[in-house]
Amino acid sequence: AQSVTQLGSHVSVSEGALVLLRCNYSSSVPPYLFWYVQYPNQGLQLLLKYTTGATLVKGINGFEAEFKKSETSFHLTKPSAHMSDAAEYFCAVMAGNNRKLIWGLGTSLAVNP
Amino acid sequence: NAGVTQTPKFQVLKTGQSMTLQCAQDMNHNSMYWYRQDPGMGLRLIYYSASEGTTDKGEVPNGYNVSRLNKREFSLRLESAAPSQTSVYFCASSLTGTVYNEQFFGPGTRLTVL
Repeated sequence: AQSVTQLGSHVSVSEGALVLLRCNYSSSVPPYLFWYVQYPNQGLQLLLKYTTGATLVKGINGFEAEFKKSETSFHLTKPSAHMSDAAEYFCAVMAGNNRKLIWGLGTSLAVNP
Repeated sequence: NAGVTQTPKFQVLKTGQSMTLQCAQDMNHNSMYWYRQDPGMGLRLIYYSASEGTTDKGEVPNGYNVSRLNKREFSLRLESAAPSQTSVYFCASSLTGTVYNEQFFGPGTRLTVL
């Protein structure tokens, strides 16, 4: 069975600081991995995804994530936080043929001036 | 191209009342999903429809029914609302048959059951 763990339900950074949001997954088959972002009072939108190929994936708004199979991780990073990055971030995994996403519980990112 | 639309945006019900949440997508996607989002619990799948004419239960189907009216529309019905169903409901769609299952989300319906 697949599962996703996001370490830290709340993360706070200063504007301009590095953003690191952690995601670990469990899957018995090669996974597809996703990061979604949810801005206040909005639906979720895809930030980036890993399917196959290059393990460093770049997404929108300067975010990137690296798939590390040995560590079963897919951490999300951004070199310099902006106030507009304040949002809820969700990691998700899809594995197998059932086409359903397994979701982490989310990490709320606060950016302080 | 509106993507995924949901109506209504907000709703307040009394315990025992019924209502239907509407969802439509114009991306010609074959799969559609209903989630609920509660604080500290992330997203939980209520029902999904892999294709027109099929529906399947997700993690938390009790108290809900769904109808895949056609390829575009997927509605969620609460027959007898309970306070435990106070939540934010999201509809999503995806194009299965591709390598991955990127889901596109609607803006959500905020439901309060008193």
